[in-house]
Amino acid sequence: QVHLVESGGGVVQPGGSLRLSCEGSGFTFRRYGMHWVRQAPGKGLEWVTFIRYDGTYKSYGESVKGRFTISRDNSKNTVYLQMNSLRAEDTAVYYCAKDHGDSQTDDYFDYWGQGTLVTVSS
Amino acid sequence: DIQMTQSPSSVSASVGDRVTITCRASQGVSSWLAWYQQKPGKAPNLLIYAASSLQSGVPSRFSGSGSETDFTLTISSLQPEDFATYFCQQSKDFPLTFGGGTKVEIK
Repeated sequence: QVHLVESGGGVVQPGGSLRLSCEGSGFTFRRYGMHWVRQAPGKGLEWVTFIRYDGTYKSYGESVKGRFTISRDNSKNTVYLQMNSLRAEDTAVYYCAKDHGDSQTDDYFDYWGQGTLVTVSS
Repeated sequence: DIQMTQSPSSVSASVGDRVTITCRASQGVSSWLAWYQQKPGKAPNLLIYAASSLQSGVPSRFSGSGSETDFTLTISSLQPEDFATYFCQQSKDFPLTFGGGTKVEIK
C-alpha cells in the first residue's frame, strides 16, 4: 500500500531555514507528480507547491514564491521542500501528497503523509 | 487566482440524514474539482475527483455533481464516521485552491 512519510519539521526562528523530506513507498514514485500542502493551526488547507514526476516542471503558491524550493530524487523516492526566510505565518502542518494522475498529472491528491509541524517563532 | 467558496461553513445533522454541501468557483473550472474529508488530527482523504468520480474505496453514499462554477457534495445517509470537515479543491489552474471547509457536526 502507498505510504508517504514526512520528516524535518520543528521550531525555527523567523528568517531561518528548514528542509522537509517526504519518502514514498508502495507505488512507482518516478511516475507521479508530488505536492506539498499546508494547514495552519485551526485553519483550512493551502496548496504550497508541485513538482512534475520527472522534476522538469514546478509551480509555487504566491505566498512562498522565491522563498521555498521543491525538488525530488527519484532514486531515493523522496521529495524535498527547502524553506528559507521563514515567517511566523508559515507556521503550519506540512503535508506531502501524491498526485492522482499516473504520469499525466491531474492535480488531485490521492494519498497524503501524516504531516510534519513547522513552527516559526522566536 | 480561482476563489472557492463553500457553504454552509458548518451543518448539524443526525445519523441517517441526507447532507448537501455546496462549493462555488469564482470562474469556471469545468469538472476539475475534488472533495476531501478531514478528521481532527488526520490528513485529508480524497472522496471525489473530476466533480463526480468516486475515489476507490470510498463508500457509495458519497456523491458529487456540478460543473463550471457550482458543485455539490452529497452524503445520502450520514453515518457516525462521516462527522468531519469537508473541503473542495479546484485543479483547473495553478495555484490550486481550496474552499474554506464545511464542518459536519452531530445534531
